Amino acid sequence: SQKIEQNSEALNIQEGKTATLTCNYTNYSPAYLQWYRQDPGRGPVFLLLIRENEKEKRKERLKVTFDTTLKQSLFHITASQPADSATYLCALPGRRALTFGSGTRLQVQP
Amino acid sequence: DSGVTQTPKHLITATGQRVTLRCSPRSGDLSVYWYQQSLDQGLQFLIQYYNGEERAKGNILERFSAQQFPDLHSELNLSSLELGDSALYFCASSLDTYRYNEQFFGPGTRLTVL
Repeated sequence: SQKIEQNSEALNIQEGKTATLTCNYTNYSPAYLQWYRQDPGRGPVFLLLIRENEKEKRKERLKVTFDTTLKQSLFHITASQPADSATYLCALPGRRALTFGSGTRLQVQP
Repeated sequence: DSGVTQTPKHLITATGQRVTLRCSPRSGDLSVYWYQQSLDQGLQFLIQYYNGEERAKGNILERFSAQQFPDLHSELNLSSLELGDSALYFCASSLDTYRYNEQFFGPGTRLTVL
């Protein structure tokens, strides 16, 4: 069956460091992958979309890579700030709709 | 602010009852999606409507139903409520039905079933 795996353990890093979050998937052949940010009790907010023919995409301090051979996407936040603390979800197109991973909680310590 | 509105913000009800959650999509968006998010589960896709018609169905229980009206707002009806239905319910909208389109989420309705 199709599965999206994100590290369920929270990632704690110091302010100013680079945060790297992982999204692994099985039994998908996605043409693209999306990343969203979710704050507690609020709706997810779209951050980036990367297509299968794009190895890397950047937006300000965010960088996403997409390796269809490894079936993995990495999400990087450089020069992280306490305001970046949130849960980050990856999402792939499933058979019927966009399917979300369970997310990784990032905590940036000042 | 995503432009998607949901009402009510909070809903507390008892088992066996029926509730209706309402969603207004962003101006111009034709697709509406409903998701359920509980503590022990991630964001679970329930159902999608596009321009008034059901387009895709997820793991939506038979006790749950939805519809999209001519003005494009949508309602999610939950009946015979059980304790396990307590969750955050999100509505999202997108321009059309292409799955690669980004989705804009509303603030959610927190449902508590006692």
